[in-house]
Amino acid sequence: NAGVTQTPKFRILKIGQSMTLQCTQDMNHNYMYWYRQDPGMGLKLIYYSVGAGITDKGEVPNGYNVSRSTTEDFPLRLELAAPSQTSVYFCASSYSTAAGSKAQYFGPGTRLTVL
Amino acid sequence: EDQVTQSPEALRLQEGESSSLNCSYTVSGLRGLFWYRQDPGKGPEFLFTLYSAGEEKEKERLKATLTKKESFLHITAPKPEDSATYLCAVQARGGSYIPTFGRGTSLIVHP
Repeated sequence: NAGVTQTPKFRILKIGQSMTLQCTQDMNHNYMYWYRQDPGMGLKLIYYSVGAGITDKGEVPNGYNVSRSTTEDFPLRLELAAPSQTSVYFCASSYSTAAGSKAQYFGPGTRLTVL
Repeated sequence: EDQVTQSPEALRLQEGESSSLNCSYTVSGLRGLFWYRQDPGKGPEFLFTLYSAGEEKEKERLKATLTKKESFLHITAPKPEDSATYLCAVQARGGSYIPTFGRGTSLIVHP
């Protein structure tokens, strides 16, 4: 199993540009998440999905959009990039049911700089 | 609102000097508490899950314990390769089961 994969690893954007961060998992997990991590600030949840076709906002959703058409893929779209979106982005997945929840598995991250 | 506070923010140890990291939490019914390790430039890596007070888990030099208000990550005779940021997350019963993360403890172990 490759686990959770993210592309690209690094990206530099100009203000106002758009891009999509890709995330794929091969563990058949139902839950998927997008986080951003700024120095000393911990992980902040952007969006999450509890299954294909179902997404919901997290703590910091403004400026981002997501979709989940398959179990495996959960892309994050940045529209009109701003310097405040400079951060490291992590995708994660987990298996959760009403009976119990398992740990999250994280991808290697995408380091994004907006200039 | 669920809250997770980790202390200290940073910890420097000499190789072999045992210590503990703290994760205090406030949650309306604990479903699970998770510990992760994060190396610089990498994503968090799962270490342990604890579900109920009194539970303990061990892995090499690490031991996690849980009470009704906090969890400790005990590091026995640490080595430089244990240097990392350690994250704690709690998951509450009910709702969306989305975990709440603490800001982490940055551990540096000097040889």
